[in-house]
Amino acid sequence: KQEVTQIPAALSVPEGENLVLNCSFTDSAIYNLQWFRQDPGKGLTSLLLIQSSQREQTSGRLNASLDKSSGRSTLYIAASQPGDSATYLCAVQSNDYKLSFGAGTTVTVRA
Amino acid sequence: DAGVTQSPTHLIKTRGQHVTLRCSPISGHKSVSWYQQVLGQGPQFIFQYYEKEERGRGNFPDRFSARQFPNYSSELNVNALLLGDSALYLCASSSTQGAAGGYTFGSGTRLTVV
Repeated sequence: KQEVTQIPAALSVPEGENLVLNCSFTDSAIYNLQWFRQDPGKGLTSLLLIQSSQREQTSGRLNASLDKSSGRSTLYIAASQPGDSATYLCAVQSNDYKLSFGAGTTVTVRA
Repeated sequence: DAGVTQSPTHLIKTRGQHVTLRCSPISGHKSVSWYQQVLGQGPQFIFQYYEKEERGRGNFPDRFSARQFPNYSSELNVNALLLGDSALYLCASSSTQGAAGGYTFGSGTRLTVV
């Protein structure tokens, strides 16, 4: 059974600081990994998708890396803004096509 | 283009009742998956349907059932509601079963059981 862990559970930083969010998974036989953003009480917004054959993906201020052999992914958010405050979820898609999620990292960016 | 749409957005039910949640995938997407998210936790997989057939089921009791229609929309049904069924129910669509392009989620249905 795939287990996904996200550390830290919560993070508070001043505006402008870079954010580093960590995700680890137990089974390296993955299909892909997807990072999502969730605002309170809302659905999930996809941020980045990394295929199992890729090492990283970038979109604007966001960069996600994947080390499949060690079961780790890291999401970097550069020059954080108050609008980045949200919960960030890591989801691993295994070969049975279902997503296994971590519990998320709740980020607060202080103005 | 419309994204994944879910209805209703909020719902309050009494213990023991039955509920039906609905999902319309992105146009052209043939796979629909359902997830349950309890407050403070990550979403948990309930079902996946592809081409109108069940392709995966998570660790949920038989009170949970689902189906997919010819137009690829889907319903999630929950019978004999318990207080613990209170959660955000999320629907996700993808173009293929394997979701090489990733999953797109709807805004969810907030179910409260009292």
